[in-house]
Amino acid sequence: DARVTQTPRHKVTEMGQEVTMRCQPILGHNTVFWYRQTMMQGLELLAYFRNRAPLDDSGMPKDRFSAEMPDATLATLKIQPSEPRDSAVYFCASGLEPGDYNYGYTFGSGTRLTVV
Amino acid sequence: AQKVTQAQTEISVVEKEDVTLDCVYETRDTTYYLFWYKQPPSGELVFLIRRNSFDEQNEISGRYSWNFQKSTSSFNFTITASQVVDSAVYFCALLPHNFNKFYFGSGTKLNVKP
Repeated sequence: DARVTQTPRHKVTEMGQEVTMRCQPILGHNTVFWYRQTMMQGLELLAYFRNRAPLDDSGMPKDRFSAEMPDATLATLKIQPSEPRDSAVYFCASGLEPGDYNYGYTFGSGTRLTVV
Repeated sequence: AQKVTQAQTEISVVEKEDVTLDCVYETRDTTYYLFWYKQPPSGELVFLIRRNSFDEQNEISGRYSWNFQKSTSSFNFTITASQVVDSAVYFCALLPHNFNKFYFGSGTKLNVKP
């Protein structure tokens, strides 16, 4: 089965450090989402790309977060500087729209970020 | 406004019982898409089903079935003869017609006990 690959799986970093998370979408998919999951807030949208163009990043704290798709095989989410409140699981998902009748979005396994 | 409500925070059942997870959604779009995802203890989000708003046909896949009713804005999920491996958090989600964001419910944690 095709998979969305996220790296690293786990990251522990000190407050103030830069963190970069990577996502390899499924080949041929044209839509990429970044979501963050915390116990308090649940799943929150951070950014959304269609055909590599950023269409919505209103959920991201602009002063410290940035998301890019340098090419169709790579999406990145960067936090600089990181803060303890950024500790969460970050998910990337890819899909193809318009999709087939029962076509789902595939999520990666997530990056568990801990900022100490 | 777009919103998904999963009122059941946690459900516990004994193996082989049937269980229904409720999902109620709000949207003004006439075209939209509904999803269910499973999040097992390992943490990944596993796609279960997608249903388009123009098709209210119910779906059955093995022990899983889904009941989509536009009249009540509900998209409920039933597991028949539950198994311990079904223990997970289940998320219902809404994707509007412009595909720009998943609106996730808060999730229902299902505990299936042997």
